[in-house]
Parts: sequence; C-alpha cells; structure tokens
Amino acid sequence: EIVMTQSPATLSVSPGERATLSCRASQSVSSNLAWYQQKPGQAPRLLMYGASTRATGIPARFSGSGSGTEFTLTISSLQSEDFAIYYCQQYNKWPWGTFGQGTRVEVK
Amino acid sequence: EVQLVESGGGSVQPGRSLRLSCAASGFTFDDYAMHWVRQVPGKGLEWVAGISWSSRDIGYADSVKGRFTISRDNANKSLHLQMNSLRADDTAFYYCAKDPGWYTGYFDCWGQGTLVSVSS
Repeated sequence: EIVMTQSPATLSVSPGERATLSCRASQSVSSNLAWYQQKPGQAPRLLMYGASTRATGIPARFSGSGSGTEFTLTISSLQSEDFAIYYCQQYNKWPWGTFGQGTRVEVK
Repeated sequence: EVQLVESGGGSVQPGRSLRLSCAASGFTFDDYAMHWVRQVPGKGLEWVAGISWSSRDIGYADSVKGRFTISRDNANKSLHLQMNSLRADDTAFYYCAKDPGWYTGYFDCWGQGTLVSVSS
C-alpha cells in the first residue's frame, strides 16, 4: 500500500500571506495526485488533479506542483474562505486511492 | 448540476448489516466509475470501495474486504454499499463520490454523506 504523508499537520497563516503544503508518497505515483479542500460540516471539494491541474471553478491562487513522490500545494494569497483542511490523495492504481492525513490551515 | 444523495445510514449494533444507497443525477451515470469514501468524525478520509461503469472492475480497501460489497444499478442511477459484520471502527460518515472517468481514481463530485454509527 502506498502511504501518503502530509506536512505540516497545522499551518498558521495570516490572510493575504502565502501557504505551502507538502505531500509525500512512499513510492512513486507519477503525477496521479489530487488535492481536496474540506470545510467543517461539508464534504471534500476537488481542488487539483494530475498534480497541477486546477479543477473546474478553482481560483488561480491555488497551484500544484511535483511528480513522483514529492508534491506541493500553494495558495498564493490566503483569503478568508481558504481556511480549511487540505488532503492529498494518490490514485496511481485504479481503484485504490490513499489519502494523506490532512493539513489544517488556520488563521495566525 | 451533478448531485449525489446518500441514504441508509443510522445506528446499528456490532455484527449487524446496513445497506447504503446513493442517488445520482445531473450526469450520465453509466459513463463513470463510482466510489465510497468514509471519514471518522473529526478524522481523515479513507477510500472504501470503487466500481467501474460496467461493474466489471471492483476494488475494496483491506479494512472492509470480505465484509462490504459495492454495486450499482445503472438503469436507476444508483450506487450501493452492502455492509455486513459491522464493527465499531466502521463508524464514520460515508460519502458517495464520482470518478471523472471510466478508470481515473480521484473524485470530482461528492455527496453530503450519511453517518453510520456502530455500537452496542
């Protein structure tokens, strides 16, 4: 099983600042990596797939990079609605997908 | 608008069974693979099971293999999860999630979830 590790567990950021979230896979997943945002009481929402392609309706301040085992999600200028939990997920071998444990982005 | 609406959750004793359903609308259901993903309240996400558009290909997480069965009814645009021999650690919100293709593996649309609580 591929293990996904996210860091940090919690990121404290001021509105308007940049946030950088990391995700590491225990073995190569190529670019088969997705990112999700989840707010309290809501289902997760797809942000990014293919490591760097924004999903429909996702603002340009969200960007993704990486391949193989190291991935990054960057939020260039945090807005109030961006404070949430972010999960990465590998989908290198259908249908088995594994998630990271999540990074909570909170107001500093 | 794509909509996924789960039903069938509730409280059940360990060892009993429960059947979850997901009603899909707003897209051509039999063009897409579908999945179940769960989340223990306050914890992270766990993929549970996935099924291809034709039901030919199915996969399960090790934690539920042999106890859960995923199925779909394309004529009625519904997805199901039969959960047998339930355990306390199966307590979670269960989300129905749409795959963006036949065999892609990420989830571009999610339902709001249904809560399954297993306790004596």
